[in-house]
Amino acid sequence: DAGVTQSPTHLIKTRGQQVTLRCSPKSGHDTVSWYQQALGQGPQFIFQYYEEEERQRGNFPDRFSGHQFPNYSSELNVNALLLGDSALYLCASSVTSSEETQYFGPGTRLLVL
Amino acid sequence: AQRVTQPEKLLSVFKGAPVELKCNYSYSGSPELFWYVQYSRQRLQLLLRHISRESIKGFTADLNKGETSFHLKKPFAQEEDSAMYYCVLRGTGFQKLVFGTGTRLLVSP
Repeated sequence: DAGVTQSPTHLIKTRGQQVTLRCSPKSGHDTVSWYQQALGQGPQFIFQYYEEEERQRGNFPDRFSGHQFPNYSSELNVNALLLGDSALYLCASSVTSSEETQYFGPGTRLLVL
Repeated sequence: AQRVTQPEKLLSVFKGAPVELKCNYSYSGSPELFWYVQYSRQRLQLLLRHISRESIKGFTADLNKGETSFHLKKPFAQEEDSAMYYCVLRGTGFQKLVFGTGTRLLVSP
């Protein structure tokens, strides 16, 4: 099991563009959470998906949206990119019915110019 | 509101010295507390959780509800302990994790 995987590893976009980031959860996990980590900060919760629906959302604008597929993989979409969206985006997976905590992927580093 | 505070951005010690990474939290209910670690060029990984009450790689952490603290301690630091450490809170009934800003631990020979 490769654990949580994310693609791409790095991405450069310009302001106003749209971006899609992808995440495959650890085998056996059914819940995917997304976090944004700005430079020098701890990860900030964006939202969580379970059973293909957004279950919980952090303090992020509607420009941030997501999707979960039947195979539990997930996408994070960001529209109308701003310079401030430059960050490391982390995906974490877990099992909803378990007390176990979340396993993190390596992240996608997004740079907005 | 849920909040985690790690007052030290950087903690530098010599090998063999004791280490204490401070963490305070704010939460009205009964939270779960974790320490996550990120070694150079590796992903975030769980180090320990308060409900396990176990020692991992020589590290321990005790949840003090009176002081709302969850400090991470190790009696004798090793060079391989150099990493970024995050104190993390999970509220009751939620799987969302709330991170502190992290403390970078540097252990010098």
